[in-house]
Amino acid sequence: QSVLTQPPSVSAAPGQKVTISCSGSSSNIGNNYVSWYQQLPGTAPKLLIYDNNKRPSGIPDRFSGSKSGTSATLGITGLQTGDEADYYCGTWDSSLSAYWVFGGGTKLTVL
Amino acid sequence: QLQLQESGPGLVKPSETLSLICTVSGGSISSSSYYWGWIRQPPGKGLEWIGSIYYSGRTYYNPSLKSRVTISVDTSKNQFSLKLSSVTATDTAVYYCAKDSSSLLWGQGALVTVSS
Repeated sequence: QSVLTQPPSVSAAPGQKVTISCSGSSSNIGNNYVSWYQQLPGTAPKLLIYDNNKRPSGIPDRFSGSKSGTSATLGITGLQTGDEADYYCGTWDSSLSAYWVFGGGTKLTVL
Repeated sequence: QLQLQESGPGLVKPSETLSLICTVSGGSISSSSYYWGWIRQPPGKGLEWIGSIYYSGRTYYNPSLKSRVTISVDTSKNQFSLKLSSVTATDTAVYYCAKDSSSLLWGQGALVTVSS
């Protein structure tokens, strides 16, 4: 059972927009930066969004992130077949024992 | 551009110790205020953070693995390493090393299978 909660799957047609939610608590999302990772089949996770809503260089502006309270959201517009992947949210949990926590991952299918 | 590369045995016997090394290139492991961490992913499953280390040697570990994990750093070789003791089949996973700041920059991963 993951500390952060994500929907197991989402789907949309090419060119459409999709959002992926990530729900946590005050000890993690509520008080720490959220990052998002894309994992294409058979590859390592790749940083998509850091510090809630910043994109590393090379990540297109079709990808966006936001945070409100104890939840975060990844948005992807102009969906492409190459966006089919697993997406994970992650953040620091500053409870009694501080450590990184992740969502269970969301499988994006571009129909 | 910073790159990380995992290396180590791909097969470990049950009850033995899993050992992996992460080599950092394109930057010094001790020149920035980052931690350096390990994350694993069992086949077909999600991500589990194992622990991280600062270049000074300060560590923090996942509470669920803490009793079996040791992470160390060798600044002279620009490497950090992971040791996980008393492994079982449930420790079979792809092990990733990563630069740990407010987000994670990942290596390509190394599959470690625990089997006799």
